[in-house]
Amino acid sequence: DTEVTQTPKHLVMGMTNKKSLKCEQHMGHRAMYWYKQKAKKPPELMFVYSYEKLSINESVPSRFSPECPNSSLLNLHLHALQPEDSALYLCASMRTPGEGGNTIYFGEGSWLTVV
Amino acid sequence: AQSVTQLDSHVSVSEGTPVLLRCNYSSSYSPSLFWYVQHPNKGLQLLLKYTSAATLVKGINGFEAEFKKSETSFHLTKPSAHMSDAAEYFCGTLSTDSWGKLQFGAGTQVVVTP
Repeated sequence: DTEVTQTPKHLVMGMTNKKSLKCEQHMGHRAMYWYKQKAKKPPELMFVYSYEKLSINESVPSRFSPECPNSSLLNLHLHALQPEDSALYLCASMRTPGEGGNTIYFGEGSWLTVV
Repeated sequence: AQSVTQLDSHVSVSEGTPVLLRCNYSSSYSPSLFWYVQHPNKGLQLLLKYTSAATLVKGINGFEAEFKKSETSFHLTKPSAHMSDAAEYFCGTLSTDSWGKLQFGAGTQVVVTP
């Protein structure tokens, strides 16, 4: 089982709204990621959690706030977003950070539209 | 720093003909290399990965890739294209640090014509 589950699949929100994206994996993976993907572009890394601790923030604006409540869950809290934040948000996970032979598995993504 | 370059932004093939998607890598170490496929409005699906066990890697859906150190290449091939192969394909390399940053190429869009 290599499943990463993301909800919701689609989200439309206003610029003053607060919403959250959720990601779940039950593979025992200890690294989890948020990526942002714009149309016709490769995914861009936003955040990395390693053993439930935020390890990397790729200079993401504070209107995006990640949270890792436990080793299976990863949330992305959204507040005061801009229309240019509309994109596909992908969650991913990897078994063991820093270990060779790893593979990163992706979820189906959450399509976000900011109006 | 590790990086990958996909040499073609767009590839068009006829159904039943071979597919070749080219990826070159830059790395000081023995790299971990991946190919992912993204169908329209979908997430990324792992096709195959190279982690130094064998230079010819077989993946899902009839795809395979060959690691050539002398050419710093990891090209993806399929002997006979199917209509369902129409998608965006990304080559990627995984960093050797503790956090597993995946660096993608720009992507190759594959169009399959009947």
